[in-house]
Amino acid sequence: ELKVEQNPLFLSMQEGKNYTIYCNYSTTSDRLYWYRQDPGKSLESLFVLLSNGAVKQEGRLMASLDTKARLSTLHITAAVHDLSATYFCAVDIRLGNQFYFGTGTSLTVIP
Amino acid sequence: DTEVTQTPKHLVMGMTNKKSLKCEQHMGHRAMYWYKQKAKKPPELMFVYSYEKLSINESVPSRFSPECPNSSLLNLHLHALQPEDSALYLCASSPRGWDTEAFFGQGTRLTVV
Repeated sequence: ELKVEQNPLFLSMQEGKNYTIYCNYSTTSDRLYWYRQDPGKSLESLFVLLSNGAVKQEGRLMASLDTKARLSTLHITAAVHDLSATYFCAVDIRLGNQFYFGTGTSLTVIP
Repeated sequence: DTEVTQTPKHLVMGMTNKKSLKCEQHMGHRAMYWYKQKAKKPPELMFVYSYEKLSINESVPSRFSPECPNSSLLNLHLHALQPEDSALYLCASSPRGWDTEAFFGQGTRLTVV
């Protein structure tokens, strides 16, 4: 059974601080995606990681993928309140955009 | 047009009703998906259509019946649902079904009474 686990599940951090969200998955895949979801809203694509060692950055967020460790990270630099949301990683194990989502990390950035 | 549009946004239905959810995209995407999301949980894959053919059915009960009339439209027909089927139903599309992100609609919030 595929497991996609994120930690932490809940994260409360102060503005200006740095933190990392981890995504571990239990089967072979070199395709991993990060999404953001605001309360009551849909999912917004953040990053597409398609190979071992891939690193992508957008603003205060940086994502990386280590397929050998089956681990992806989402690093937050100098957090701001606007980053408060739930972040999901998603693994595609059948090469068909058939995403299996992680457990999610609910991030709250406190002023 | 870079949107995936879902209708209705909210739906309340009784357990004996028949209703349909509709999803539309005009981005020329050839893969379309239905996901179910319960409160405070991750989305769960239900169905995948690739080039208008059903390619994946994740053991979804038969009271959910998907349909892809053409490359722009995806429907989810609902019949004899249970209260535990209440959830946010998300439609998504992707350009070719691999190596690209999926674009999600705003979802239909379904309540079964």
